[in-house]
Amino acid sequence: NAGVMQNPRHLVRRRGQEARLRCSPMKGHSHVYWYRQLPEEGLKFMVYLQKENIIDESGMPKERFSAEFPKEGPSILRIQQVVRGDSAAYFCASSPSVGQESGANVLTFGAGSRLTVL
Amino acid sequence: SQQGEEDPQALSIQEGENATMNCSYKTSINNLQWYRQNSGRGLVHLILIRSNEREKHSGRLRVTLDTSKKSSSLLITASRAADTASYFCAPVRSTSYGKLTFGQGTILTVHP
Repeated sequence: NAGVMQNPRHLVRRRGQEARLRCSPMKGHSHVYWYRQLPEEGLKFMVYLQKENIIDESGMPKERFSAEFPKEGPSILRIQQVVRGDSAAYFCASSPSVGQESGANVLTFGAGSRLTVL
Repeated sequence: SQQGEEDPQALSIQEGENATMNCSYKTSINNLQWYRQNSGRGLVHLILIRSNEREKHSGRLRVTLDTSKKSSSLLITASRAADTASYFCAPVRSTSYGKLTFGQGTILTVHP
């Protein structure tokens, strides 16, 4: 079991370019979460997805950011027209179906994708 | 969802000493979880304590929960340099909703 796989691990973009971050959840997990972490800060929730559905996007900036979790393939966090303030580590986590006591919302995190905007 | 607040913000100890971190939260919970983050890495789940439990152990970790005070503590006994990391708590209101919210964490430094 390879765990939560994120790629790329490091991404450098110039201002105005697009950044695409990918996340493959753990095998058997159907829920994906994206978090952003600025240097020396905690993790800030961005979005919570199930396959083909966005459950909660209350932490997503209103513009330039979007996320998807298609029926096939990884979850994608897309940042359009990046700015220097988007430089951060972006973490993906996954969990099994909720509502099951044994799952109890335990999240498994990936190693993160570090975005640097020049 | 709700966010836990960890205290202290930073803790520096010598190897072999015990480290205690605290977490406070505001509303009723189903369970509370502790996670560790080593520098530059993702969070790793350490331990989960349910609302009907008062204490739980896992190796050198001991977690307590006081629902009347809405607080939890994480004790690491006989600390090692490898325990150097940030520690986060996550109070979970309902298991029917997956999202967890994290605070700023406690930065633990264990000096060899």
